[in-house]
Amino acid sequence: GENVEQHPSTLSVQEGDSAVIKCTYSDSASNYFPWYKQELGKRPQLIIDIRSNVGEKKDQRIAVTLNKTAKHFSLHITETQPEDSAVYFCAAMRSYNTDKLIFGTGTRLQVFP
Amino acid sequence: NAGVTQTPKFRVLKTGQSMTLLCAQDMNHEYMYWYRQDPGMGLRLIHYSVGEGTTAKGEVPDGYNVSRLKKQNFLLGLESAAPSQTSVYFCASRLPGLASLGEQFFGPGTRLTVL
Repeated sequence: GENVEQHPSTLSVQEGDSAVIKCTYSDSASNYFPWYKQELGKRPQLIIDIRSNVGEKKDQRIAVTLNKTAKHFSLHITETQPEDSAVYFCAAMRSYNTDKLIFGTGTRLQVFP
Repeated sequence: NAGVTQTPKFRVLKTGQSMTLLCAQDMNHEYMYWYRQDPGMGLRLIHYSVGEGTTAKGEVPDGYNVSRLKKQNFLLGLESAAPSQTSVYFCASRLPGLASLGEQFFGPGTRLTVL
């Protein structure tokens, strides 16, 4: 089955700097990769996703890149702000087996003012 | 529109006790999921359902049972709670089909402590 590894487990950056979180997946048939943000004490919420027919997707200060050959994808946050502090989870899914997402173990991002 | 709700929000059990966690959604979603979240372990899938009357095992199903008697409700049962089941439990739901891939809506979570 699918296995998703996520690094780093914690990340501290200064406000205004960029943050990058990386994930690798094992199942070459996976072709959908969402990212979730979970603020302290709250529920996970989808922030951006990418499908395997696209190499990069951007939404304001966040972007996701996908390298299908290497089986890894990354979340990039530019001009970080204190409100970006949260735990971020990557996930992977096969689109023809649309039952379930496999999540990474999460990255705790702290943005210091 | 309440989205996904969970009952209760907090619970403390003694080892061997049983309980049921209730998840309800008012978005007419076919798919529903139960996850547990432990420090450093991310979100691990316990059981899921792709429609009323159907259930399937996820990554960590042992010690749990589920039922989906109504489309809007998904129940998670612990028959004999163990300290290893201390965790935060999240329910989630989504529509089927490629268009809604990954857009899982999560409930607020239930914090369970087993002593």
